[in-house]
Parts: sequence; C-alpha cells; structure tokens
Amino acid sequence: EIVLTQSPATLSLSPGERATLSCRASQSVSNFLAWYQQRPGQAPRLLIYDGSSRATGIPARFSGSGSGTDFTLTITSLEPEDLAIYYCQQRSNWPRTFGQGTKLEI
Amino acid sequence: QVLLVQSGAEVKKPGASVKVSCKASGYTFSLYGLTWVRQAPGQGLEWMGWISPQNGNTHYAQKFQGRVTMTTDTSTNMAYLEVRSLTSDDTAVYYCARETWNDAYWGQGTLVIVSS
Repeated sequence: EIVLTQSPATLSLSPGERATLSCRASQSVSNFLAWYQQRPGQAPRLLIYDGSSRATGIPARFSGSGSGTDFTLTITSLEPEDLAIYYCQQRSNWPRTFGQGTKLEI
Repeated sequence: QVLLVQSGAEVKKPGASVKVSCKASGYTFSLYGLTWVRQAPGQGLEWMGWISPQNGNTHYAQKFQGRVTMTTDTSTNMAYLEVRSLTSDDTAVYYCARETWNDAYWGQGTLVIVSS
C-alpha cells in the first residue's frame, strides 16, 4: 500500500499569511492526489483533485502542485475559517490511503 | 442535490458486530461507487474500502479484510458497512462518501462506541 507522509504535523500562522503544506508518497501516484479540509466537528471537504485542480466552490487562495511523489498545498492570505486539519489522499492505487494530516492553527 | 444520510450512533460491547447504513439520494445510485472511511477520536482519516453498487465489486484495506463487509441494495439506494469482532480500537466515527475524480459528498458520520 502507498504510504503518504505529510509535513509539518502542525502549522501555526496568522491571518493574511501564506501556508505551505507538504505530502510525500512512498511511490509515484502520478497526479492522482487529492487534498481534503476537515474543520472541527465536520466531515471532510474536497479542496483539490488531480494534484492541482480546485473542486467546485473552492476559493482561489487554495492551490495544489506536484506530481509523482511530492505534492504541495498552498493557501495564500489565510483567513480564520481556514483553521482545520488538511489531509492528502492518493487515488492512484487500491487501497486508497490518506496522509496523517497537517493541523493548521490560525 | 446529492445527499448521504447515515444511521444513528451505536454502543456495542467488545466482540459484537455493528452494521452502519448510508441512504443515498439525489443521483443515480448504481452509477457511483461508495467509500467508507473511519476516524477514531482525535485521530486522522482511515480509508476502509469501496464498493460498486452496480456489480458489488469491492476493494478493502488489508487491515479490514475478513472482518468488514460492505454491501449495497440498489432497490432502496442503501449502502451498508458491517464490522465484526469489535474491540475498543473500533471506536470511531464512520463515514460513507461518494467520491469521483472531481467531487466528493460525505455522510454526516455515525459514531460507534465499543465499550464493556
């Protein structure tokens, strides 16, 4: 199974700052990588699919990049509602797997 | 609109089984696979498996092979997750989700507590 390793575990930033979250795969997943946001007490919400495509309704301040084994989620100009845990998910192979998450503190 | 509504919270004793349901509406049920994901208290997301309502094909995470069964009923647009031989480690919120390449819809989650 493909292991996804996210870093950092926790990121503490202020409103208006830029957040950079990393996800590394144990083997190539091509661009079949998604990012989810999970706010406290809520179900996850899809932010990014295919490595860099924003899902419907996701603000432009969220962007994804990368391919193969190294991926990045960037959030420009942080807002208080961005407080959440962010997970990457590979959709290349069965079983699908999630990273362990990055907690973003605002 | 796509809606996934899950069954209510359950409390089970160790060694028992639990069956969580997921009622789908707002789309053609047979055309989209369903994923089950769980989240233990304070922990991350854990992918459990996937089922195709069209033909019953499944993919399970190896960790759950033999202890978990996913089924669907296309006549009622229902999906089911059965977990057997429960232990305290199975205490978690269980989610069903309809994921495609470019969108994802999640149920509200079902809390399963395993306690003697």
